[in-house]
Amino acid sequence: GQQVMQIPQYQHVQEGEDFTTYCNSSTTLSNIQWYKQRPGGHPVFLIQLVKSGEVKKQKRLTFQFGEAKKNSSLHITATQTTDVGTYFCAGPLYSGAGSYQLTFGKGTKLSVIP
Amino acid sequence: ETGVTQTPRHLVMGMTNKKSLKCEQHLGHNAMYWYKQSAKKPLELMFVYSLEERVENNSVPSRFSPECPNSSHLFLHLHTLQPEDSALYLCASSLDLLGTGPQHFGDGTRLSIL
Repeated sequence: GQQVMQIPQYQHVQEGEDFTTYCNSSTTLSNIQWYKQRPGGHPVFLIQLVKSGEVKKQKRLTFQFGEAKKNSSLHITATQTTDVGTYFCAGPLYSGAGSYQLTFGKGTKLSVIP
Repeated sequence: ETGVTQTPRHLVMGMTNKKSLKCEQHLGHNAMYWYKQSAKKPLELMFVYSLEERVENNSVPSRFSPECPNSSHLFLHLHTLQPEDSALYLCASSLDLLGTGPQHFGDGTRLSIL
């Protein structure tokens, strides 16, 4: 069935190193969304990408949507301890009867070693 | 303030108890969701409601019973739960079921089954 896959599942980095998480869909997506969940918190929406090849930046975070609109990446430059958490990508997959279900990847859990 | 409020934040109950989780959204959204989050399965969709009508039940055991009296309120009634039901239960809402906009999550209810 249709799914959204995300790798890696875990990533441990030294503070100051870069970090990237990758997201792949089995089908073309109308948009891709990224969420961050801090330890003990809930998922919080970060950004949405809509256009093929789109790149958006939020300070040290760079989000990219692939040309085929089936993959995406989140890159963090020079990680800080405040970046710790789980990063989820999500894309709408058709669930029948004219509706779409926002389907989440399993997330990448980022640990930053001070 | 996320716009989605869940109560209680923490709940400890025995396997024979009956309890209810409550979710309220103040965002004017038409779709509401229940997710289960545990270490084994990061974000597991349970139920989807659109305009108070249940549109999806992801093979959830009958000991979980959702209720959506109006588009702002969502309940999850719990009865005769098992230890493996211990998890974080997250409520979310979105404008519609098209998946074109983000989901807004509540803080969740941390449920422990004794």
